[in-house]
Amino acid sequence: SQQGEEDPQALSIQEGENATMNCSYKTSINNLQWYRQNSGRGLVHLILIRSNEREKHSGRLRVTLDTSKKSSSLLITASRAADTASYFCATDAYRNTDKLIFGTGTRLQVFP
Amino acid sequence: DTGVSQDPRHKITKRGQNVTFRCDPISEHNRLYWYRQTLGQGPEFLTYFQNEAQLEKSRLLSDRFSAERPKGSFSTLEIQRTEQGDSAMYLCASRNQGAEKLFFGSGTQLSVL
Repeated sequence: SQQGEEDPQALSIQEGENATMNCSYKTSINNLQWYRQNSGRGLVHLILIRSNEREKHSGRLRVTLDTSKKSSSLLITASRAADTASYFCATDAYRNTDKLIFGTGTRLQVFP
Repeated sequence: DTGVSQDPRHKITKRGQNVTFRCDPISEHNRLYWYRQTLGQGPEFLTYFQNEAQLEKSRLLSDRFSAERPKGSFSTLEIQRTEQGDSAMYLCASRNQGAEKLFFGSGTQLSVL
């Protein structure tokens, strides 16, 4: 089962533009993570934000978390063609941190 | 550290056949996870091991599915009497207990004809 949903399902932008993806989840969490997946490959961890944090940065990535709304956003600034991939949010469950539950993903295409 | 490796990368089989996939986690990781991913969806949790013990199985894992991790190192996932609905990418991931980040393999793409 999926923990949450991501919005939009697909996003197409030009190189240099910013890309924003949103994730909503259902249960209380300890942390939320974002992963990237190139077509036909495994997932790669990008960034983690804890439930007591509101914003986190890593290079061109900015993640926000609003636990009252059970939502997170991932912003990729100054996008590049190489950012073309699917992006997934993943959460543990507050009382069960043993596994990650993934969202449905946003497919990002960045045109050169 | 060679990462998580999965074998084979692709498997085409006929309906009703049995298939087995292998996953070699990062050597020092004691937790190993199996996920299934269908086209356009996120990975869905199937099962996980801590060392050789299988600690949780999803309801998605029907009786036709079995996973093992006999020596607490590599793991196998077997699907018996495959059905077309089993067609998916099967992903393996590993991490240590208490660690938060999952390391994924490249997956095994199963096509059941």
